[in-house]
Amino acid sequence: EPEVTQTPSHQVTQMGQEVILRCVPISNHLYFYWYRQILGQKVEFLVSFYNNEISEKSEIFDDQFSVERPDGSNFTLKIRSTKLEDSAMYFCASSSTNVANTQYFGPGTRLLVL
Amino acid sequence: QKEVEQNSGPLSVPEGAIASLNCTYSDRVSQSFFWYRQYSGKSPELIMSIYSNGDKEDGRFTAQLNKASQYVSLLIRDSQPSDSATYLCAVNTGNQFYFGTGTSLTVIP
Repeated sequence: EPEVTQTPSHQVTQMGQEVILRCVPISNHLYFYWYRQILGQKVEFLVSFYNNEISEKSEIFDDQFSVERPDGSNFTLKIRSTKLEDSAMYFCASSSTNVANTQYFGPGTRLLVL
Repeated sequence: QKEVEQNSGPLSVPEGAIASLNCTYSDRVSQSFFWYRQYSGKSPELIMSIYSNGDKEDGRFTAQLNKASQYVSLLIRDSQPSDSATYLCAVNTGNQFYFGTGTSLTVIP
């Protein structure tokens, strides 16, 4: 069964460093998303991406964040200068046809900023 | 601000009982509604989606939507210990998805 994959599973970084989180969506899916979940809190939408551009972003997704689909299979989230409060689980998701369709989540990357 | 509200629980039910989970949302133009299950330390796993008023059944799960009341619920029949998890309500409005904080369910053997 196709699934969304994410790497790395865990990432530890120093405050101020750049991190890149990687996702491989399900192959025939067209819509891609990033979410974060701070420990003990709710899942928060960051950004949606379609046709090689951002279709929607939340107020969390400020200038330190960027997304890219560099090669037609990977979908990346870059955090330019990490802050302590960026420590969270980051989930990638994808859906097949339109934004209201079912989203399938990857296993997540746990980011710890020291 | 668009909100999705759930009782955080914990909700405890005996094995074989019906578990009832509730969710309200603030934005009347919300279009699609989802229930996800999340085990501790894992990613959300889709259980049900519902788009129109009424009931939708899938196995032991029934989702109910009432757009006039801005209310969506999930019933789990014949609850099993493996159903013990946090249940997340998610609402699609425009191109954004909003999640509730989740309801923790424990099914007691």
